[in-house]
Amino acid sequence: EVQLLESGGGLVQPGGSLRLSCAASGFTFSSYAMSWVRQAPGKGLEWVSGISTSGGSTYYADSVKGRFTISRDNSNKWLFLQMNSLRAEDTAVYYCAKGAGSSSSNCFDCWGQGTLVTVSS
Amino acid sequence: DIQMTQSPSSVSASVGDRVTITCRASQVISDWLGWYQQKPGKAPKLLIYPASTLQSGVPSRFSGGGFGTDFTLTISSLQPEDFATYYCQQANSFPLTFGGGTKVEIK
Repeated sequence: EVQLLESGGGLVQPGGSLRLSCAASGFTFSSYAMSWVRQAPGKGLEWVSGISTSGGSTYYADSVKGRFTISRDNSNKWLFLQMNSLRAEDTAVYYCAKGAGSSSSNCFDCWGQGTLVTVSS
Repeated sequence: DIQMTQSPSSVSASVGDRVTITCRASQVISDWLGWYQQKPGKAPKLLIYPASTLQSGVPSRFSGGGFGTDFTLTISSLQPEDFATYYCQQANSFPLTFGGGTKVEIK
């Protein structure tokens, strides 16, 4: 069974940092592009960042470029999102999402349960 | 960036009704379009991708169509478990973008 399990969310002050992790299982992790997608309370879905199968290419939404860094560990089947200089508008549930194919640009056929990030003083 | 415009933003319908949701892209995206269903407190579920291909395990009452800039998601006979919010997403180019969502409510 394909599974994604996020961790690392929590309450952080504006300007602070958090590192989200996503443990993958049940599929050949290194064969799929991965992304982070977030959803602010009561709002729609927003793609945040994506990474190619090898990790050699990364992509970001303008709203997080320069503050967030996506990475992956294919040996141990982990996806990460390092979030710096956090702002109140980054408050959201963050989902780890598996690409529906190897292409970096893709839809997502498996999602984690989400981890809540709250940025507040 | 490619803007995705969904309509309507909400629809009230009864069990057994046929419901159609539309999604328009601000530029041509071929058939690189997916549809998701999301229920409260849950992660989204991919229903259709690319534009007209039903994902494994998704009931056949769901169908998708369109190419280029205009797309549709149709539920042929609404069931109680279909009351949810539906999103489209373009996968043509980065940044990946979602439509604003369509909430399907019980009439």
